Amino acid sequence: AQTVTQSQPEMSVQEAETVTLSCTYDTSESDYYLFWYKQPPSRQMILVIRQEAYKQQNATENRFSVNFQKAAKSFSLKISDSQLGDAAMYFCAYRLGGGGADGLTFGKGTHLIIQP
Amino acid sequence: NAGVTQTPKFRILKIGQSMTLQCAQDMNHNYMYWYRQDPGMGLKLIYYSVGAGITDKGEVPNGYNVSRSTTEDFPLRLELAAPSQTSVYFCASIDRVNSPLHFGNGTRLTVT
Repeated sequence: AQTVTQSQPEMSVQEAETVTLSCTYDTSESDYYLFWYKQPPSRQMILVIRQEAYKQQNATENRFSVNFQKAAKSFSLKISDSQLGDAAMYFCAYRLGGGGADGLTFGKGTHLIIQP
Repeated sequence: NAGVTQTPKFRILKIGQSMTLQCAQDMNHNYMYWYRQDPGMGLKLIYYSVGAGITDKGEVPNGYNVSRSTTEDFPLRLELAAPSQTSVYFCASIDRVNSPLHFGNGTRLTVT
């Protein structure tokens, strides 16, 4: 079974600074997808960014970017110019590709605190 | 579009009671999922469905049942509530297997 590990239960960053959240995963598959979800106190699950394993280029969405290291099975999230609204739980998630309907496997999350 | 709608938002149950968590989506998605989120943990898959009439177990199905009589609805049934089922429950759907999940806003359930 696939596993997703987020080794940082909590991270803190000053507003306007850059922070990197770590994620590693374990799989023997070559076709899969990786996601970062944000969960603010409202508990809504919001997709931040998505990476296809077959793409070498790292995904970017405005201030959010990933460092995808397929051989190392690492998928970190970088948040640039941190804003107060970025404060939330962040979950890394994995899904097997190939057309299967299995849901996502989630890590335990990282609580991100933004210091004003 | 309403997206994925979950009801109720909150519920307190006594041990041994039963209830159904409702989930409906108006996006004509074939794939639907139920997750639970325990405090300080990520989400774990309870059940999923690839279409009307088809359901399958996820990682933590014990104590739950589901049905999928229509494309739109995917209710989750707790027959004999136990304190271990205290959690936040999320329903989600997708149109294609490789699409990002659309989540509902969750149901916070407390069993005492």
